[in-house]
Amino acid sequence: AQKITQTQPGMFVQEKEAVTLDCTYDTSDQSYGLFWYKQPSSGEMIFLIYQGSYDEQNATEGRYSLNFQKARKSANLVISASQLGDSAMYFCAMREGTAETGTASKLTFGTGTRLQVTL
Amino acid sequence: SQTIHQWPATLVQPVGSPLSLECTVEGTSNPNLYWYRQAAGRGLQLLFYSVGIGQISSEVPQNLSASRPQDRQFILSSKKLLLSDSGFYLCAWSVFAGRENTEAFFGQGTRLTVV
Repeated sequence: AQKITQTQPGMFVQEKEAVTLDCTYDTSDQSYGLFWYKQPSSGEMIFLIYQGSYDEQNATEGRYSLNFQKARKSANLVISASQLGDSAMYFCAMREGTAETGTASKLTFGTGTRLQVTL
Repeated sequence: SQTIHQWPATLVQPVGSPLSLECTVEGTSNPNLYWYRQAAGRGLQLLFYSVGIGQISSEVPQNLSASRPQDRQFILSSKKLLLSDSGFYLCAWSVFAGRENTEAFFGQGTRLTVV
């Protein structure tokens, strides 16, 4: 079974509009972390935002916010006021395993969503 | 500050030739290390991860192997490359900090073309 599911292979959004990129996850761990990364055409991976499983508030970083719904196991990324430079691939990722349990810090990525911002 | 070095940036290798990609991390100790492969326009597939020297976990059966001879060195190898090994290879590191944010930091990647 997929650990991280991103159901939107591609999305379009107009400049200055908000857009939501979907991500659902599957884990039996009580402690885990959720991440979003941006990958422009250059190939570099840029960290955007993090949500810990114990965090009660949704994470925010500038124009990025993470809509964390633990019971539904979803961690959608919301980008407000889209800019042309936001056009890129976006990946949702999950870290499983904890230092407390001694398990490995496995970091699994979804298949990504290609976002295209239009004028 | 922490940095990660991955080389080479691009590589063209014939089918059946060996492969060695190296990744080193500076400015941190006992990191978790990862190798990912990304096919063109696709997601990141976790190939190997390591929590310590000599400790390698393999995610998918494949033509590749990984080794961690030193704490901050992670090597991806193959004895005989296949056409299907072509892709963009990314090395990454992270550290555990309990419940705190421990995002992974990525190298610049190696674009491997097997011909």
